[in-house]
Amino acid sequence: DTGVSQDPRHKITKRGQNVTFRCDPISEHNRLYWYRQTLGQGPEFLTYFQNEAQLEKSRLLSDRFSAERPKGSFSTLEIQRTEQGDSAMYLCASSSSGQGNEKLFFGSGTQLSVL
Amino acid sequence: DAKTTQPPSMDCAEGRAANLPCNHSTISGNEYVYWYRQIHSQGPQYIIHGLKNNETNEMASLIITEDRKSSTLILPHATLRDTAVYYCIVRPVSGNTPLVFGKGTRLSVIA
Repeated sequence: DTGVSQDPRHKITKRGQNVTFRCDPISEHNRLYWYRQTLGQGPEFLTYFQNEAQLEKSRLLSDRFSAERPKGSFSTLEIQRTEQGDSAMYLCASSSSGQGNEKLFFGSGTQLSVL
Repeated sequence: DAKTTQPPSMDCAEGRAANLPCNHSTISGNEYVYWYRQIHSQGPQYIIHGLKNNETNEMASLIITEDRKSSTLILPHATLRDTAVYYCIVRPVSGNTPLVFGKGTRLSVIA
């Protein structure tokens, strides 16, 4: 049983470039979440999907950020025109339930460094 | 914003019980208390959750006060591998809002 997989593990980019991250959730998990985490802080919610539908987006998610989950399986998170403030760990999580007692399973994250 | 208050750090001797407190004085009757932990360079890991009753699983025990305004996560026999940041989170039973993480408690287990 594989867990949540994120690719790449590390990404270094120059300011102004576009980057895309991929998340493969646990098979048959219908919910998929994206979080962002900076050093010393807890993860901050960005957005989540129920199957292929994007149900909520945080105010943290500027217009430069877009997420997709086209077939309700894997998801991508794209950041356009990256800024140094985008440097962070981007975490993906999945779950099999939309109820309040759901358990989220997190990947190991993609560490983004914007130079 | 996180609706919980946790001490920023704690130490525990290896083999002893680690008791991590959490204050959630504004919790409502239809909110769960969740605990996750995050080991360095990994994503958060689910530990346990509860509503009113105390809960125990293979990882930990969760003790919720009768008025539900605070709780304690207990790791009965802490090991060095339990060194991590522990997050206490409240979340509606309906599940229609995402988990909101605070800064958590950094637990250091010392040999």
